[in-house]
Amino acid sequence: SQQGEEDPQALSIQEGENATMNCSYKTSINNLQWYRQNSGRGLVHLILIRSNEREKHSGRLRVTLDTSKKSSSLLITASRAADTASYFCATDEGNNRLAFGKGNQVVVIP
Amino acid sequence: EAQVTQNPRYLITVTGKKLTVTCSQNMNHEYMSWYRQDPGLGLRQIYYSMNVEVTDKGDVPEGYKVSRKEKRNFPLILESPSPNQTSLYFCASSQNPLYGYTFGSGTRLTVV
Repeated sequence: SQQGEEDPQALSIQEGENATMNCSYKTSINNLQWYRQNSGRGLVHLILIRSNEREKHSGRLRVTLDTSKKSSSLLITASRAADTASYFCATDEGNNRLAFGKGNQVVVIP
Repeated sequence: EAQVTQNPRYLITVTGKKLTVTCSQNMNHEYMSWYRQDPGLGLRQIYYSMNVEVTDKGDVPEGYKVSRKEKRNFPLILESPSPNQTSLYFCASSQNPLYGYTFGSGTRLTVV
């Protein structure tokens, strides 16, 4: 079932700015994951946050999770042209299945 | 190199002609899954497998079959393809879903 819903669905920013995307979901989860997809290519796993975690960092990525609001955010700091991609959140409800959102398209203008 | 390999990358076929999209991973992963991606709908899970001979339906299994006879391979079979199965298909694998999945490069299928 479709779980995550990303917001905004399209984002255009200047290189060097920060990009923030949000994801909302409906049911209880074990963890939430973020993936990146460059145009027409496979998805790349970026970061995973467990349901008992509130914030996680990986390089220029920062993910937060608010289980009371059933929402997560992905922040990309100091964006680069190479960050231009679609970003998907995916929720793991504990049944070995991932439910993906529709995705966020991010364009970083050099 | 650790990877998930799908073949073919592109396929145009006619309605009703049986086809198989292969997926192979070299990481000894137990979990494998198939997704289709359509504009405006994101990724939807077709089938998944937790180990050899263990498969289960995802959200959109109609019109598809899978098998998992060996750990490394997880082919997707369309017995009688229809135009509404025109889509971008991804195979993914994981040793432990708690650590995320590795995706293949995708197969763009067009059924005319």
